[in-house]
Amino acid sequence: GNSVTQMEGPVTLSEEAFLTINCTYTATGYPSLFWYVQYPGEGLQLLLKATKADDKGSNKGFEATYRKETTSFHLEKGSVQVSDSAVYFCALSVGGTSYGKLTFGQGTILTVHP
Amino acid sequence: DTEVTQTPKHLVMGMTNKKSLKCEQHMGHRAMYWYKQKAKKPPELMFVYSYEKLSINESVPSRFSPECPNSSLLNLHLHALQPEDSALYLCASSQDRSGGVIYNEQFFGPGTRLTVL
Repeated sequence: GNSVTQMEGPVTLSEEAFLTINCTYTATGYPSLFWYVQYPGEGLQLLLKATKADDKGSNKGFEATYRKETTSFHLEKGSVQVSDSAVYFCALSVGGTSYGKLTFGQGTILTVHP
Repeated sequence: DTEVTQTPKHLVMGMTNKKSLKCEQHMGHRAMYWYKQKAKKPPELMFVYSYEKLSINESVPSRFSPECPNSSLLNLHLHALQPEDSALYLCASSQDRSGGVIYNEQFFGPGTRLTVL
């Protein structure tokens, strides 16, 4: 079956620190990969996506590269801000009979201190 | 308009009540979804509608009844819920298919915080 594994949190950083949140996956077929962010009290927002191997998704200073050889989609940001404090979910989607299903990782809580 | 709206934001109901959650999108998306999210957990898929037809039901108890009146609206009817059904209920939509291309990125609403007493 399909699964997503994220690094365990919570992650606590100081402002302007470098961020990496690891995400690896197993999937049948060729998945699309996503990072979603959930701020306190809100729904999920799509942060970035990649639909094929070696694609790099980027948004708001965050980046992630679809690595088929290592089945990974790690999220990075060069300099985090307090406003980046949120829960980050890595997710994948495949077609076929699983079409429409997002498989999520467990989520990583990020706290950024001034 | 690039957002999914959900009403109400908060709902408190007793175990014998009947209530409905509403979701609306005006992005022309043809797939809509209901998720349940417990605290500190990822969302769990409940139902998927594609072109206004129910395409996925993740073995959800019958006390949850989805309805898709048209391509922009999605309802979730609630009846005889249990306290363990208290959660954040999220609606999402996606474009589905166009010209043979599958668009599977989902856009989420802010959710309805449901408390069952």
